[in-house]
Order: sequence, then C-alpha cells, then structure tokens
Amino acid sequence: DAGVIQSPRHEVTEMGQEVTLRCKPISGHDYLFWYRQTMMRGLELLIYFNNNVPIDDSGMPEDRFSAKMPNASFSTLKIQPSEPRDSAVYFCASSYHLEYPTDTQYFGPGTRLTVL
Amino acid sequence: DQQVKQNSPSLSVQEGRISILNCDYTNSMFDYFLWYKKYPAEGPTFLISISSIKDKNEDGRFTVFLNKSAKHLSLHIVPSQPGDSAVYFCAASASYGGATNKLIFGTGTLLAVQP
Repeated sequence: DAGVIQSPRHEVTEMGQEVTLRCKPISGHDYLFWYRQTMMRGLELLIYFNNNVPIDDSGMPEDRFSAKMPNASFSTLKIQPSEPRDSAVYFCASSYHLEYPTDTQYFGPGTRLTVL
Repeated sequence: DQQVKQNSPSLSVQEGRISILNCDYTNSMFDYFLWYKKYPAEGPTFLISISSIKDKNEDGRFTVFLNKSAKHLSLHIVPSQPGDSAVYFCAASASYGGATNKLIFGTGTLLAVQP
C-alpha cells in the first residue's frame, strides 16, 4: 500500500494568494483528517470526514479555510486568501473505520506551507 | 486552550539509558491516550496507547504510565537507541462511552539519543 499521499510536499506562496493542498487517503479507509502542525500549538485537528461527509470542522481557524472530499479517494484543503500566519506543516491522515475506543490514524508526509 | 500539554520541548539522553517523556492533560473526560512518533519529513506514526482503566501498558522497550488523579502520563523507553531520536506527540480522546476518532494532540517533545 502506498500510504496516505499528499501534494505538494512544499508550497511557497505570497500573502493573498489561494493555496490548495491535496490528499489521497489509503484505499478502503472511511475517515480522513486534516491537521496543522506549528511549534506553538503542536498538531491541531482542523476537520475530519467520515465517508466523504464532514463530521467536525470546529478546528478550522476561520472562513479563509475550506475543505472538501468529493469522493473516497481525494480531499482538498484550501486557504483563500493566505496569510503569513498560515505558514505551517499540514498533515492529512486516514483511518479504516471507527473501532472502540478509537482507530489508528495513518498520516501522510505532510505539506510544508510558507506564506511570504 | 491547550488541553494536552508537553512541557518539555526537547530531551537528550545517552544511548542505553532510559528516556522519560511526560504529558499532562486538563480534560477529565479524556479516557484514551496515545503516543505518536515523528521522524523529520515524515508523518507521525502510532507508537503505543493506554486506556484510562489501566495504569500501565508495555510494548517491548516502550511503556506508558497513566496517573489519572494527577492527569499525567509518561512514556518510558528502555534502553534508548539512536533510532529513537524523533519528535514524540502525546494525544488524548474522550469516547463518552462510545467511540471517537477525534484526537487532541500536544505540542511534541524532541528526543535526541546520543550514541
């Protein structure tokens, strides 16, 4: 299995530009998660999907952030307009299905975003 | 408001010695705790977990201890090896009697094991 695939691996953009991060979860996994890693806040859960439906988006920082999952094998996280404080590493993760008490999440390699 | 706290940003130990990574939490509803390990340029990978009904869980060189009254858990690595050098994230979840995939992570501790 190729694991969770994220693209691009690195993104450098200028303030005000639109940024789109992409994720392909592990085939057969029902859950998909988007996280953001910063030094100050560690790994923050932004949003997660179950069977392509957003379940909890309470971690999305503001309206500039949006996420979609049009099908079981693809998700995007979009920032529009981007700001320097959005600079971070963004991870996508997926898990098979919900098992008590929780299921192992498999992370992608991350996208390092730099907003100038 | 950081519900899961890892107050030591970094830790350095000698090869063969014990590494102890600490984690504190504030939410008394958390009932399941996990440790993830992250190498540079890679995503975190699951390492070990513990349910709140236990106070210890062991897997080879890795042992997690849970002190519910203190809202504290720790990860012990014995003996430490250079390959253990990585960032370790503590995470917690609150199942409320059911199941959940929502994890709250800490800020991470960078462990450096010196040969």
